[in-house]
Amino acid sequence: KQEVTQIPAALSVPEGENLVLNCSFTDSAIYNLQWFRQDPGKGLTSLLLIQSSQREQTSGRLNASLDKSSGRSTLYIAASQPGDSATYLCAVRPSNDYKLSFGAGTTVTVRA
Amino acid sequence: DTGVSQDPRHKITKRGQNVTFRCDPISEHNRLYWYRQTLGQGPEFLTYFQNEAQLEKSRLLSDRFSAERPKGSFSTLEIQRTEQGDSAMYLCASSSPIGELFFGEGSRLTVL
Repeated sequence: KQEVTQIPAALSVPEGENLVLNCSFTDSAIYNLQWFRQDPGKGLTSLLLIQSSQREQTSGRLNASLDKSSGRSTLYIAASQPGDSATYLCAVRPSNDYKLSFGAGTTVTVRA
Repeated sequence: DTGVSQDPRHKITKRGQNVTFRCDPISEHNRLYWYRQTLGQGPEFLTYFQNEAQLEKSRLLSDRFSAERPKGSFSTLEIQRTEQGDSAMYLCASSSPIGELFFGEGSRLTVL
């Protein structure tokens, strides 16, 4: 069974600092990995999707890397802003399944 | 297309009552998922559909829970004889052909 872990559970940074969010998973046989953002009381917004064959994906200030062999993905957010304050979740889809397994998320606070 | 929509956004009910949630996925997406999320946790898989066929149900889904997707379009999730432990956010998602999940805003259930 795929286990997904996100550490730390929470972090607080001053505005302008770069954010590094970590995601680890136990089974390297994955189809894809997806990063989401969740604001309080809201649904999940897709940020980046990395297919199994890819090493990274970029969108604006966001960059996500994937290292299947070590079971890790990292989400980088450059030059953080207060509007980046949210919970960030990663989710892994195994190669032999259609359902995603989620981490518990990292709650980010960007201080102005 | 406005994305995945869920209704109602909030439902407060008394223990023992039945509730039903509706999800309208992105129109061209064949796969539809239901997840449940409690405070501070990542979403947990409940069930998913490929068109109108329900392909998998989690063991979390007791016999009080039933989901349907008639004609492969919208889906409903019904909870019978609600219990306080059913209080959670119920999230619906649909999947693009490349496997990217898009979530709705969720339906928050409070059982008194």
